[in-house]
Amino acid sequence: GAGVSQSPRYKVAKRGQDVALRCDPISGHVSLFWYQQALGQGPEFLTYFQNEAQLDKSGLPSDRFFAERPEGSVSTLKIQRTQQEDSAVYLCASSLALAPQRGEAFFGQGTRLTVV
Amino acid sequence: GNSVTQMEGPVTLSEEAFLTINCTYTATGYPSLFWYVQYPGEGLQLLLKATKADDKGSNKGFEATYRKETTSFHLEKGSVQVSDSAVYFCALRRGGSYIPTFGRGTSLIVHP
Repeated sequence: GAGVSQSPRYKVAKRGQDVALRCDPISGHVSLFWYQQALGQGPEFLTYFQNEAQLDKSGLPSDRFFAERPEGSVSTLKIQRTQQEDSAVYLCASSLALAPQRGEAFFGQGTRLTVV
Repeated sequence: GNSVTQMEGPVTLSEEAFLTINCTYTATGYPSLFWYVQYPGEGLQLLLKATKADDKGSNKGFEATYRKETTSFHLEKGSVQVSDSAVYFCALRRGGSYIPTFGRGTSLIVHP
């Protein structure tokens, strides 16, 4: 497809369960970002990849959150031992720009995670 | 720290009405300012941006002017359409940073 694709679109997890959220960026996009958007809030930065390198993970809220992008394309955000406060929409964005502060980032539709 | 404050929604208008969505910001230095739009069922899209004081960003009939003296970046459109119904996010990004700070979003509902 032409845009950023995220799967699943919706995920319901029982508290304590591990989840994996997938992001397929636009082909050839170097920069990839993950954001967390709580209900009624704007997106908040989680982590940034340049190709396969995770250059910034300062926004990850705890060590239960882990992201990878092993081949510099598809990325997975993993949340271990999910808690209710992890319920949110997780957004992925990609950008062609090597310098991520330049260029436009294109966002996926997001994955809505509900922890029950 | 950096922050963005948007007016609470929802904003409900009739078609062809004038739209203003207020946005004010707090930041050190000279940030770039953005408006993003999220249509139902879709991802965030960049609507317009301005990178320095007095710049005006415009797209699809929407406009916003970077006002440093009032630290504002209000979004305006002269005549809204039903298809403009969406959530609008104001955001800033400090120079040299790739991490944007978003406001909470303002829902716009346009009735025929």
